[in-house]
Amino acid sequence: KAGVTQTPRYLIKTRGQQVTLSCSPISGHRSVSWYQQTPGQGLQFLFEYFSETQRNKGNFPGRFSGRQFSNSRSEMNVSTLELGDSALYLCASSLEGRALETQYFGPGTRLLVL
Amino acid sequence: KNQVEQSPQSLIILEGKNCTLQCNYTVSPFSNLRWYKQDTGRGPVSLTIMTFSENTKSNGRYTATLDADTKQSSLHITASQLSDSASYICVVSGRGSTLGRLYFGRGTQLTVWP
Repeated sequence: KAGVTQTPRYLIKTRGQQVTLSCSPISGHRSVSWYQQTPGQGLQFLFEYFSETQRNKGNFPGRFSGRQFSNSRSEMNVSTLELGDSALYLCASSLEGRALETQYFGPGTRLLVL
Repeated sequence: KNQVEQSPQSLIILEGKNCTLQCNYTVSPFSNLRWYKQDTGRGPVSLTIMTFSENTKSNGRYTATLDADTKQSSLHITASQLSDSASYICVVSGRGSTLGRLYFGRGTQLTVWP
């Protein structure tokens, strides 16, 4: 089976712009979670989608949003980019997002905001 | 406040030696604790998942222990190899039927020298 894929792998944007990141989960996985990783804060949970519905959400402003399609692929959007949004954005998938399931992470999208 | 603290922040050991990484948490109610390995430039990979009823779990040369009473976990690496050089992240999940809200430690950066 192919692993979790994320596109693009690298992205450079300027303040005020918006960006859309894409994640394709492992085939058959219906739960997709998004995380932000920075050197200062480490990994932080953004949100989780299951069956096209946002099921859980972390403490991020409304500028961060996402959606999931019927084929379980997910997109994350960040509007009005700020310098502090520069980070590695990771996507992870699991079968149904149950508490003890293994999550499989993608390689991440590295976003640089200038 | 739910927190996960890891120590040491960084560690350098010689190839073939053993080492132990620590994770203390205050997340309550507690569901499970995971250890991830993250190589530079890649997404995290799951090493172990333990519930409150499990005291130890092994994955090859990696052995995780959990003391739910003292809210402490450790990851022991035996006979280290150069490929063990990575960041090791402790993740705690609050009680629930889904992955839900996850609390991340900032990781221990392990460097194995030949």
